[in-house]
Amino acid sequence: GAVVSQHPSWVICKSGTSVKIECRSLDFQATTMFWYRQFPKQSLMLMATSNEGSKATYEQGVEKDKFLINHASLTLSTLTVTSAHPEDSSFYICSARAERTTAGGPEETQYFGPGTRLLVL
Amino acid sequence: AQSVSQHNHHVILSEAASLELGCNYSYGGTVNLFWYVQYPGQHLQLLLKYFSGDPLVKGIKGFEAEFIKSKFSFNLRKPSVQWSDTAEYFCAVNAPYGGATNKLIFGTGTLLAVQP
Repeated sequence: GAVVSQHPSWVICKSGTSVKIECRSLDFQATTMFWYRQFPKQSLMLMATSNEGSKATYEQGVEKDKFLINHASLTLSTLTVTSAHPEDSSFYICSARAERTTAGGPEETQYFGPGTRLLVL
Repeated sequence: AQSVSQHNHHVILSEAASLELGCNYSYGGTVNLFWYVQYPGQHLQLLLKYFSGDPLVKGIKGFEAEFIKSKFSFNLRKPSVQWSDTAEYFCAVNAPYGGATNKLIFGTGTLLAVQP
């Protein structure tokens, strides 16, 4: 259980074009998904929190007009890199938050997708 | 602001050696703690997690971690590593209460190489 998929797994595009990346939770519903960026030999950097049915929350320094996020359903969030430039080339990873209630209180766990490698020429 | 420190950036071990990867966090309130593993060419996978209860948590593949609240630590251990444990290991912290947003803060990762 708790499988998250991403599509495409890699994409090469020309500078100035827009690229859409999909993130799906396959066997659970996720009201909250997250988008990360991972640079070579570095940790994951949270870009934004995607909330179903409402606007995404962006981290400081992340341009919301550049990285458009849409969370249209409980199993799908999309990240669109608009007018991509070479500096946007990176590994983009999404996660979906699974929630469950236990006797000890709520437990939230993020499950990660396989990532999308973007190369902008 | 919350932060997570992983002191070892690279660890090289021989098979059957014991492993301990350090993880410290800075947050004074209630925390949830995670270890994720990223095998070469694969995505992040949950190794183990701590929410409450027994501070010694057992995960998959023989890994365990101990939450020591007084030391703000959540070190990962395995008594005998295998070549297949070669991967990058990330510690992450989530603070669900106290006004902090429910997001994961990751450490910088520790690259483990196990020599056969």
